[in-house]
Amino acid sequence: AQKITQTQPGMFVQEKEAVTLDCTYDTSDPSYGLFWYKQPSSGEMIFLIYQGSYDQQNATEGRYSLNFQKARKSANLVISASQLGDSAMYFCAMSGPFTGGGNKLTFGTGTQLKVEL
Amino acid sequence: KAGVTQTPRYLIKTRGQQVTLSCSPISGHRSVSWYQQTPGQGLQFLFEYFSETQRNKGNFPGRFSGRQFSNSRSEMNVSTLELGDSALYLCASSLDRSTDTQYFGPGTRLTVL
Repeated sequence: AQKITQTQPGMFVQEKEAVTLDCTYDTSDPSYGLFWYKQPSSGEMIFLIYQGSYDQQNATEGRYSLNFQKARKSANLVISASQLGDSAMYFCAMSGPFTGGGNKLTFGTGTQLKVEL
Repeated sequence: KAGVTQTPRYLIKTRGQQVTLSCSPISGHRSVSWYQQTPGQGLQFLFEYFSETQRNKGNFPGRFSGRQFSNSRSEMNVSTLELGDSALYLCASSLDRSTDTQYFGPGTRLTVL
């Protein structure tokens, strides 16, 4: 069975600093996708970044980058130059297994990020 | 392009009642997935529909059901509501392949009294 582990329930960072949110995963499937979503207090899940298991390079999307270390089964999210609007819950998720088709996400427990002045 | 829409946004029901939630995917998206989010259990996958067929199902009792229409819009139904069904129900849509990114709607917050 697939599993996502986020060991940081809460994180604080000062505005304009970089922050790393940890995510480790477990799967026996050779093909999978890794995602990060942001959930503000309003509840909507906002897609941030995606990394495929066969991608050679780390994914980047603006201020977000994904530090993918396949051998260690980790997919940490790095947010550069934090802004007050980055304060939210962040979820790491994995898609798969893909046998039989289907698009299903397994989520971690989330990390609550608070950006301070 | 319009995002995923969910109606209603908030719902209050009493135990034993049933409820239907609606989700309209992003135009062109054929896969719709449903998730339940609670403080105790976190985010859990309910089911996924693709081309009007349930393609994937999570570990929920039969009281939870869904369907998808020919225009890809989806509904989920919960019968005989229990207090533990109080949750944020999130709908997500994606193109069609298993690796495609899922984009979420704003959710429906269901309270069961």
